Amino acid sequence: AQSVTQPDIHITVSEGASLELRCNYSYGATPYLFWYVQSPGQGLQLLLKYFSGDTLVQGIKGFEAEFKRSQSSFNLRKPSVHWSDAAEYFCAVGAREYGNKLVFGAGTILRVKS
Amino acid sequence: EPEVTQTPSHQVTQMGQEVILRCVPISNHLYFYWYRQILGQKVEFLVSFYNNEISEKSEIFDDQFSVERPDGSNFTLKIRSTKLEDSAMYFCASSQLENTEAFFGQGTRLTVV
Repeated sequence: AQSVTQPDIHITVSEGASLELRCNYSYGATPYLFWYVQSPGQGLQLLLKYFSGDTLVQGIKGFEAEFKRSQSSFNLRKPSVHWSDAAEYFCAVGAREYGNKLVFGAGTILRVKS
Repeated sequence: EPEVTQTPSHQVTQMGQEVILRCVPISNHLYFYWYRQILGQKVEFLVSFYNNEISEKSEIFDDQFSVERPDGSNFTLKIRSTKLEDSAMYFCASSQLENTEAFFGQGTRLTVV
């Protein structure tokens, strides 16, 4: 069965520090990969996506992610975190072979300390 | 910027009552979805809808659930007889084409008492 693992439930970083949120997937097909962000009481906003091509993808708000097929990973990074980045981040995976549904990870809550 | 709109933002209902959650997808999108997120748990797929019919549904989407696109703009999720365990945040999403990114609404928080 398809699965997505975000091993870190909570992460705390200082404002201005770099950030990496981990995502690993288990899929029997070529995946499409997404990162979404959810602020408290808000919906899911798409940060970035990977379908094919360059394995390093750029997203909104200064985020980037790198697809590593050999490690089944799609980690999210940001070189310098801002206090407004505090939110919950979800990795999601889809594949043509499994229709249009997305499988989500459990999420990582990011706290930013000043 | 076009967005997916969901109403209401909060709904409280008594157990056994019917609820209808409403969504207006992005206008040129063809694929529509419902997901739910029980408090503290993962976002879970419920159903996808294309060309006026269900294209896929999960095990969660049993006979108590139904979806409809009653006109050219709205997409609804009906829960016929709500249970306590239906309490969750329900997200509507839409995508333009198959296997493209889905855009999510702000969600409807359903509380069953």
